[in-house]
Amino acid sequence: GAGVSQSPSNKVTEKGKDVELRCDPISGHTALYWYRQSLGQGLEFLIYFQGNSAPDKSGLPSDRFSAERTGGSVSTLTIQRTQQEDSAVYLCASSPSRENTGELFFGEGSRLTVL
Amino acid sequence: EDKVVQSPLSLVVHEGDTVTLNCSYEVTNFRSLLWYKQEKKAPTFLFMLTSSGIEKKSGRLSSILDKKELFSILNITATQTGDSAVYLCAVEAGSGGGADGLTFGKGTHLIIQP
Repeated sequence: GAGVSQSPSNKVTEKGKDVELRCDPISGHTALYWYRQSLGQGLEFLIYFQGNSAPDKSGLPSDRFSAERTGGSVSTLTIQRTQQEDSAVYLCASSPSRENTGELFFGEGSRLTVL
Repeated sequence: EDKVVQSPLSLVVHEGDTVTLNCSYEVTNFRSLLWYKQEKKAPTFLFMLTSSGIEKKSGRLSSILDKKELFSILNITATQTGDSAVYLCAVEAGSGGGADGLTFGKGTHLIIQP
């Protein structure tokens, strides 16, 4: 597609449930990032994928969070046993190559609300 | 720990005014500083600055970097209501690329009143 696509755009769930958020990056972009943005806060890095290399998971806040990227394209962020503090907008971004980290192309995000 | 601090956190001005947004940083192995505009959801890229003293310009927006004093400013002249947004500053640091990449500030929420 023309841009980074994320789904769902909004998700309301109950505490303790699992959720899956999907990101479809721009075709041909090898780098993919997940960020979390809480109300009034900056973007918090979660995880980074570069091509088929092992992802850098250093930003994941707990072992309830995991992500995968299949075939070097679509990525899924999974949050298990959701907590209220997980409520945030989850933004996905892609970039053409490792050398162009700065110029990220963001999706419109998935707003997660945990009741 | 890398740190990016933006000021002010929020700003309300009238259409036609000029605004200056500030971004200071403390990072290890600086590579570049970036500005993004976030209107509703997806941040969109504005500028990437790597060298001190060289102004980047795009229409009414301009930005400059001072690597000695570790800050950048984003100027918007003749503001319009469409400039209302959160402006995010991010610094890329480390060995380059990937996870040791971008640290974002909390943003400046700019509101332009007609």
